[in-house]
Amino acid sequence: QKEVEQDPGPLSVPEGAIVSLNCTYSNSAFQYFMWYRQYSRKGPELLMYTYSSGNKEDGRFTAQVDKSSKYISLFIRDSQPSDSATYLCAMRNNAGGTSYGKLTFGQGTILTVHP
Amino acid sequence: NAGVTQTPKFRVLKTGQSMTLLCAQDMNHEYMYWYRQDPGMGLRLIHYSVGEGTTAKGEVPDGYNVSRLKKQNFLLGLESAAPSQTSVYFCASGRGIGETQYFGPGTRLLVL
Repeated sequence: QKEVEQDPGPLSVPEGAIVSLNCTYSNSAFQYFMWYRQYSRKGPELLMYTYSSGNKEDGRFTAQVDKSSKYISLFIRDSQPSDSATYLCAMRNNAGGTSYGKLTFGQGTILTVHP
Repeated sequence: NAGVTQTPKFRVLKTGQSMTLLCAQDMNHEYMYWYRQDPGMGLRLIHYSVGEGTTAKGEVPDGYNVSRLKKQNFLLGLESAAPSQTSVYFCASGRGIGETQYFGPGTRLLVL
């Protein structure tokens, strides 16, 4: 079983829709949660960064973490064609040892927002 | 300020050939990373470096070697390429462990 599971999609929505992207994880030591956006044939870029449980909002994007359920979400409001990309969740723990600080990525969800 | 750059952008190799992928960053970051990205597998860490002259193994290090002779450069070597190494390779850098990682544009490698 992978440490981080993410539905690869693809997900296709009309412009203006609310998009919900999700990841589940099994390692309870994860404390830092990130969402990266990757446009086609480009490198990933950091979109949102949250620590522990709770919500974080940045413009049209909201990241949500539920540590009790080991579940994180990214919501995109008023989605635009320019949001079409692959969205990768990533996590890391704050424990010692060889896994300290390393990122574990989900498989990525391919999102298409059509006009 | 170019950020993280990678060369080459694309390469085709025959099984058994060797090659070196170059990553360069101009942000004075201490930490550098090499990942591979495969369909359905996400990004997996190959090797990383916490500073000039240091390297460490990641999740999938077999078949790869790395060197960090200069702070701004991180080289990934394939001594004897195999078809299983067909992938997209990303380099990333960051100020420290746990800090934001900035990714390069990737190198697409096809091993025949």
